[in-house]
Amino acid sequence: GESVGLHLPTLSVQEGDNSIINCAYSNSASDYFIWYKQESGKGPQFIIDIRSNMDKRQGQRVTVLLNKTVKHLSLQIAATQPGDSAVYFCAENKDNFNKFYFGSGTKLNVKP
Amino acid sequence: DTGVSQDPRHKITKRGQNVTFRCDPISEHNRLYWYRQTLGQGPEFLTYFQNEAQLEKSRLLSDRFSAERPKGSFSTLEIQRTEQGDSAMYLCASSPGTGTGPQHFGDGTRLSIL
Repeated sequence: GESVGLHLPTLSVQEGDNSIINCAYSNSASDYFIWYKQESGKGPQFIIDIRSNMDKRQGQRVTVLLNKTVKHLSLQIAATQPGDSAVYFCAENKDNFNKFYFGSGTKLNVKP
Repeated sequence: DTGVSQDPRHKITKRGQNVTFRCDPISEHNRLYWYRQTLGQGPEFLTYFQNEAQLEKSRLLSDRFSAERPKGSFSTLEIQRTEQGDSAMYLCASSPGTGTGPQHFGDGTRLSIL
């Protein structure tokens, strides 16, 4: 399949290590944020979300941190696995129509 | 499979031809979105439907593009007189009709213009 991740910032980690993927968002009025995972040849897959009234949210092996002061979002993946290799996008929502604005993405390479 | 379905998965056509893509959202979802994604970039919003009503269109959606959702279920995206710059992945997403929440994406239609 085609590669979604050409020309993207790349993070390479060893299997079992923790990964941190960062994202700077653009609008201080954004109030809802999502991290998506996109594998080659597939559509974005929802990982975790967070609303602006929270600073941190945890899921299974994933944690999202939101710093509204500096408009920064991060995704932490614990014990990274080869199946986590993909392109990761943050998306922000700043209106009531559920329209999202996506960042440019980070490619995560997990080395066995 | 109850996810978002898109057809075709791949479309290759000559410049100047018309193409139409179809999206079947998750059945209970009232909202439907079209996005375009070029290589190395995140998806860009094109248009949005609440049931059968098209409520918002991006300026990226030139007059050669038209989207419909006639019965509030499946949607079609048509591109007329295709140009080289239309080559991209066209993604469809859907979400429930109330509140703000995650959109669920299909696997897209890859359009290649020769």
